[in-house]
Amino acid sequence: EIVLTQSPGTLSLSPGERATLSCRASQSVSSSYLAWYQQKPGQAPRLLIYDASSRATGIPDRFSGSGSGTDFTLTINRLEPEDFAVYYCQQYGSSVLTFGGGTKVEIK
Amino acid sequence: EVQLVESGGGLVQPGGSLRLSCEASGFTFSTSWMHWVRQTPGKGLVWVSRIKSDGSYTTYADSVKGRFTISRDNAKNTLYLQMNSLRAEDTAVYYCAGRGSGYVDYWGQGTLVTVSS
Repeated sequence: EIVLTQSPGTLSLSPGERATLSCRASQSVSSSYLAWYQQKPGQAPRLLIYDASSRATGIPDRFSGSGSGTDFTLTINRLEPEDFAVYYCQQYGSSVLTFGGGTKVEIK
Repeated sequence: EVQLVESGGGLVQPGGSLRLSCEASGFTFSTSWMHWVRQTPGKGLVWVSRIKSDGSYTTYADSVKGRFTISRDNAKNTLYLQMNSLRAEDTAVYYCAGRGSGYVDYWGQGTLVTVSS
């Protein structure tokens, strides 16, 4: 099973700043099959990025994903008030899918 | 509008069984992969299982393999999760989710399963 480790656990930033979230895999993720999700309290997750760098339908271009192999990054440029949430990475390059533990982006 | 509506959650004793259902609408269920994902309140997401569009292929997380069974009825646009030999650590909100074989576009609002004596 591929273990995904997200860092930092919590990111304290102000609106307008840039957020950089990391997701590291315990082994190489096949074909960059990595997704990012956003979850707000009391809501189901929402798909942001798939295949490491492709934005899902309706996702603003301030969200971008990059990386390959074992190291992946989600960048949120110019944080908006609605972006403060928990973010999860997920790999689907193996038969057993796994999520990372999450990064909380909170208002500083 | 895409809708995934889970049902069947509740309180069950350790060692007991429960069957979750998820009724889908607003998209072509019969051509979509479907997944179950769970989340302990206040904790992270854990992928549980997935099933191919025609039901011919399934995979499970190691923590539930041999105890849980995913299935679907494309005629009824419904996904199922049969959960046996339940343990306290299975307590979570269970989300029905779907579309691709890997990443997930569509999510339900979840149903709470509590395993406790």
